[in-house]
Amino acid sequence: NAGVMQNPRHLVRRRGQEARLRCSPMKGHSHVYWYRQLPEEGLKFMVYLQKENIIDESGMPKERFSAEFPKEGPSILRIQQVVRGDSAAYFCASSPLDRVVTEAFFGQGTRLTVV
Amino acid sequence: GENVEQHPSTLSVQEGDSAVIKCTYSDSASNYFPWYKQELGKRPQLIIDIRSNVGEKKDQRIAVTLNKTAKHFSLHITETQPEDSAVYFCAASPSNTGKLIFGQGTTLQVKP
Repeated sequence: NAGVMQNPRHLVRRRGQEARLRCSPMKGHSHVYWYRQLPEEGLKFMVYLQKENIIDESGMPKERFSAEFPKEGPSILRIQQVVRGDSAAYFCASSPLDRVVTEAFFGQGTRLTVV
Repeated sequence: GENVEQHPSTLSVQEGDSAVIKCTYSDSASNYFPWYKQELGKRPQLIIDIRSNVGEKKDQRIAVTLNKTAKHFSLHITETQPEDSAVYFCAASPSNTGKLIFGQGTTLQVKP
């Protein structure tokens, strides 16, 4: 059973470009969560999605950031017009449908560097 | 919304000693409290968790206690080893949301 898969592992973007981060949850998991970890800081909740639905986006910046989890395919976190302050590790976690409050399995993360 | 405070931010102990990390939370409706260990450049990994209907849970050298009245929970590591050195994060999950609100992290250094 493959774990949560994130790609790419490392992403370098110039200021103003777009960044697309992908997350494939564990098999059988239909809840996906995105977290951001700034250098030497804790993890901050960004968004919670189920298939085709955004459940909670209270942690998402109001501009430039969006997320989706389509019926088919991975969840995508999209950052438009990246700035240096977007440089961080972005982690995705998934959990199963039948137990909402249960352990979250984290992916390896995508380390975004904006130059 | 939920807010989690974690202390201390750094902790240095001698190998074999015990380490204690404490967290407080603000939302009395939170009902799930996991602890994660994160090594440099790696993903957070769950080491132990506790639910609001339990006061204490133990797994070998690791234990977690929860005081719902005071809204705080603690991680206890006994007989520490150098490989326990890492950053530890506590988290709280607001009732039935599934999302995790993390503390600021504790950098634990175990000196051989």
